[in-house]
Amino acid sequence: DIQMTQSPSSLSASVGDRVTITCRASQSISSYLNWYQQKPGKAPKLLIYAASSLQSGVPSRFSGSGSGTDFTLTISSLQPEDFATYYCQQSYSTLEGYTFGQGTKLEIK
Amino acid sequence: QVQLQQSGPGLVKPSQTLSLTCAISGDSVSSNSAAWNWIRQSPSRGLEWLGRTYYRSKWYNDYAVSVKSRITINPDTSKNQFSLQLNSVTPEDTAVYYCAREGIAARVDPWGQGTLVTVSS
Repeated sequence: DIQMTQSPSSLSASVGDRVTITCRASQSISSYLNWYQQKPGKAPKLLIYAASSLQSGVPSRFSGSGSGTDFTLTISSLQPEDFATYYCQQSYSTLEGYTFGQGTKLEIK
Repeated sequence: QVQLQQSGPGLVKPSQTLSLTCAISGDSVSSNSAAWNWIRQSPSRGLEWLGRTYYRSKWYNDYAVSVKSRITINPDTSKNQFSLQLNSVTPEDTAVYYCAREGIAARVDPWGQGTLVTVSS
């Protein structure tokens, strides 16, 4: 399996802060990396695909970067509705399974 | 706008078969540019991709190694939906199950509303 490791596992921040979440793959996945936001009781929502492409309808304060094994999700100025759990997912290989990171819970400071 | 609507029982007995259906609106299960996925989520295993079905002149399936011996994902073109069957379930298969569309650039969106399936006698 391709292992996806996110850091940190949890994060406290304030409205208006700039926040960065990191995802590392156990082998190169080129740019086949998606980021999701999940709120309690809801399905994950796609934010970023192909490492850096913003999904339609997602605010521009969300951005993604990286390729190979190291990726980041940045929220430029936190809004109250951004407090949620964030997951990365590799979509490089179905032979290995489309594995997800363990999640980063973003909480209000 | 693509929408996915899941249906199926929320309680399954151990050793029996878990069966869920995902009805598609706004797209076709036979689309040449989409794949139709099942993903589950539990506190112990996190988000776990289970498999997908897709049509590229013929039907293909990909399955996660962890469930490959027990899973079947089938399209139903007459009803524009796809289904998940997971055989020989145990309490470890208790999870929220989601269906989801995979589009261009392997973006997985949208997702169904989720179905909590509990495996218990």
